[in-house]
Amino acid sequence: AQKVTQAQTEISVVEKEDVTLDCVYETRDTTYYLFWYKQPPSGELVFLIRRNSFDEQNEISGRYSWNFQKSTSSFNFTITASQVVDSAVYFCALSSGGSNYKLTFGKGTLLTVNP
Amino acid sequence: KAGVTQTPRYLIKTRGQQVTLSCSPISGHRSVSWYQQTPGQGLQFLFEYFSETQRNKGNFPGRFSGRQFSNSRSEMNVSTLELGDSALYLCASSGGDQETQYFGPGTRLLVL
Repeated sequence: AQKVTQAQTEISVVEKEDVTLDCVYETRDTTYYLFWYKQPPSGELVFLIRRNSFDEQNEISGRYSWNFQKSTSSFNFTITASQVVDSAVYFCALSSGGSNYKLTFGKGTLLTVNP
Repeated sequence: KAGVTQTPRYLIKTRGQQVTLSCSPISGHRSVSWYQQTPGQGLQFLFEYFSETQRNKGNFPGRFSGRQFSNSRSEMNVSTLELGDSALYLCASSGGDQETQYFGPGTRLLVL
């Protein structure tokens, strides 16, 4: 069985602070994909990043960075110099078995960035 | 390229009724997946269609069904609505099994 755990239910920071959202996953498959999605109040899930299990290289995109560590089954997401527009619910998700059409999501982390 | 569209955006129904939700995928995408999002259970996979065939189904009762048309548009139907069916229903499309799913804005269903 697959499982994604986002232990942080809610995080509140002040603008310009750095914040890290944690994600721990469980799967028996050797081939899998990890994702992060952002859900603003409007409800739509916005794709942020995808990593496959064979690529542990960290990635940076502007103020966003992701740290993938297979040894600890973690795929953490850091926002540098947070902004009010970053306020949203962030979901970590996992797919495996070679098919990305069925995602297992974590419970999400509500990030509130205060001015 | 237009994104995934879902209609209607909001629905209010009463217990016992049935409802049909529609999803139009990104042009060229043949896979459509449906998810239910509730505060208690979070995001849960309902089913996925590819080329008009259901390939996988989540752990939901038979009241939840779907179909896909030749143009890849998909519909999901919930019969005999229960209060617990109140949720945000999200549809996602992808260009293939190894590709990323892109989500629509969702349909908010309220069952009274």
